Amino acid sequence: NAGVMQNPRHLVRRRGQEARLRCSPVKGHSHVYWYRQLPEEGLKFMVYLQKENIIDESGMPKERFSAEFPKEGPSILRIQQVVRGDSAAYFCASSTSGGDNEQFFGPGTRLTVL
Amino acid sequence: GESVGLHLPTLSVQEGDNSIINCAYSNSASDYFIWYKQESGKGPQFIIDIRSNMDKRQGQRVTVLLNKTVKHLSLQIAATQPGDSAVYFCAENSRMDSSYKLIFGSGTRLLVRP
Repeated sequence: NAGVMQNPRHLVRRRGQEARLRCSPVKGHSHVYWYRQLPEEGLKFMVYLQKENIIDESGMPKERFSAEFPKEGPSILRIQQVVRGDSAAYFCASSTSGGDNEQFFGPGTRLTVL
Repeated sequence: GESVGLHLPTLSVQEGDNSIINCAYSNSASDYFIWYKQESGKGPQFIIDIRSNMDKRQGQRVTVLLNKTVKHLSLQIAATQPGDSAVYFCAENSRMDSSYKLIFGSGTRLLVRP
């Protein structure tokens, strides 16, 4: 009974490169959320997606960041032209539906920008 | 409200004692609250949740109390064990604009002394 899978677990990029973070939700879950966590801080919401739809992207920076959750395959968080301030842990969560349903979190991807 | 870049407050307790972790939430319209435990290098792990029509909910060794008047949550851990050492976050389900994103508090580090 696999939980939320994220890969890679650790990602190192140089400034200006692209970072692609992948998230496979719990089997049967159609709602995916991405959060970012800086050291010693709580998680900050970025984006909420359902299959092929972005429901809420109010936490996403306006430039360089994008997310998708295609009909087939994992959800992808893409960061173009990374800067040092993008260094953080990125967590994906999934749920069966919206509302008062538990969000199950993955182990996170730790992005380091050199 | 939004967490800020400060060092996490720390609660140090003796093994076997009870622990109480407090949290203030921001949105009076939130109606679903969750406590998460996060161990170093891992994603948040669900502990217990509570809906706004309740003021207390008990699980195994844990109790959550909700005071809507002052927008306050607490997590009580009975007979604290070394394995309880972690960072604890409260989260509220904001339900804003049909989005079910979680808004996390800034977290409390629990250290259990043997």
